[in-house]
Amino acid sequence: DAMVIQNPRYQVTQFGKPVTLSCSQTLNHNVMYWYQQKSSQAPKLLFHYYDKDFNNEADTPDNFQSRRPNTSFCFLDIRSPGLGDAAMYLCATSREGAATDTQYFGPGTRLTVL
Amino acid sequence: AQSVTQPDIHITVSEGASLELRCNYSYGATPYLFWYVQSPGQGLQLLLKYFSGDTLVQGIKGFEAEFKRSQSSFNLRKPSVHWSDAAEYFCASPLNRDDKIIFGKGTRLHILP
Repeated sequence: DAMVIQNPRYQVTQFGKPVTLSCSQTLNHNVMYWYQQKSSQAPKLLFHYYDKDFNNEADTPDNFQSRRPNTSFCFLDIRSPGLGDAAMYLCATSREGAATDTQYFGPGTRLTVL
Repeated sequence: AQSVTQPDIHITVSEGASLELRCNYSYGATPYLFWYVQSPGQGLQLLLKYFSGDTLVQGIKGFEAEFKRSQSSFNLRKPSVHWSDAAEYFCASPLNRDDKIIFGKGTRLHILP
């Protein structure tokens, strides 16, 4: 029944060691989003894909990259994680844009940077 | 600047009591508005949304929200809360009719037994 799946749920990495977070969806939605959520804060959009079109937020650090090899999968790559990148990373999907469509969120991946 | 504001960072209510969480928006036209709930360690789940029409919107889990243009508000209500309602609640809006939405800072709801 899971519609937006994130793996792993918990990820521990070392300072500067590249890490990849995975998101998959069974909804066949056009749009996939990656959010960063730090403790007691609102989710912050990093980027999103509309189909294959990549949309990066202006304030997303270059350290964060994303790939969407097909409709179902989307990856978040953190090239050199810093201590400040420790957060919950949420993947979401919507059929069309979030302006009018419901976003469906995955359970998140909690990233710890040692 | 266009924004979504949740004035209350924390709200505590007793189980069985009524609840109202506040949300204010700053936008010239009628915005699309959403309420999401996030249980601890989980992703967000949509409770309800307002696009147009009836200003009183019914959602899941017994929640409702009322859009009031005169007050630029979209407050979330529930007549009787349950312990399982303890969570973080986010008001959100695309504001710019863009592909993305802006979240308020959230209100954490605590339930007293």
